[in-house]
Amino acid sequence: QKEVEQDPGPLSVPEGAIVSLNCTYSNSAFQYFMWYRQYSRKGPELLMYTYSSGNKEDGRFTAQVDKSSKYISLFIRDSQPSDSATYLCAMSADDYKLSFGAGTTVTVRA
Amino acid sequence: SAVISQKPSRDICQRGTSLTIQCQVDSQVTMMFWYRQQPGQSLTLIATANQGSEATYESGFVIDKFPISRPNLTFSTLTVSNMSPEDSSIYLCSVEGTRSYEQYFGPGTRLTVT
Repeated sequence: QKEVEQDPGPLSVPEGAIVSLNCTYSNSAFQYFMWYRQYSRKGPELLMYTYSSGNKEDGRFTAQVDKSSKYISLFIRDSQPSDSATYLCAMSADDYKLSFGAGTTVTVRA
Repeated sequence: SAVISQKPSRDICQRGTSLTIQCQVDSQVTMMFWYRQQPGQSLTLIATANQGSEATYESGFVIDKFPISRPNLTFSTLTVSNMSPEDSSIYLCSVEGTRSYEQYFGPGTRLTVT
């Protein structure tokens, strides 16, 4: 069993739709939960992070963590073509070592 | 945030040869990381490189296959040795951010082994 599971998609949505992404994990030591965005032929960049359980909102993006279920989500509201990218969940147990999901490729159609 | 460059951006290599990938950062950092990103698979940490000490390799990765140098606080190299087609992948370097969960990534080196 992989430490972090993420459906690779691909996911295709019309512009303006809500994009819902999620990951599950098995390591209960994880405390930091991140979402990285990776555009084609670029390196990943940190999009959002959440410490422990709870929700965090940043503009059109909302990250949710449910540690009891070992489940994290990212929602993108009013999606734009510029949101087309691969979204990687990542987790850390309070050190510099990050465990990544496989990434979900999202295409927002204009 | 740090700006990271990698060379080469891509290469096609013959099996049995070696390729050295360079990673340059625009500021001094203590920790640098090397990852492998294979199609449809998770970004996988190969090793952590601290300046002035031996790199720390993750399970499944060995120094003979992936030797790493870290001569100063802004530069590192990863060599992929005795390559086989299974080594075809994107190799990324990253550096620590100000927070433990944050890393800044380079654009990656796309390697194809024939």
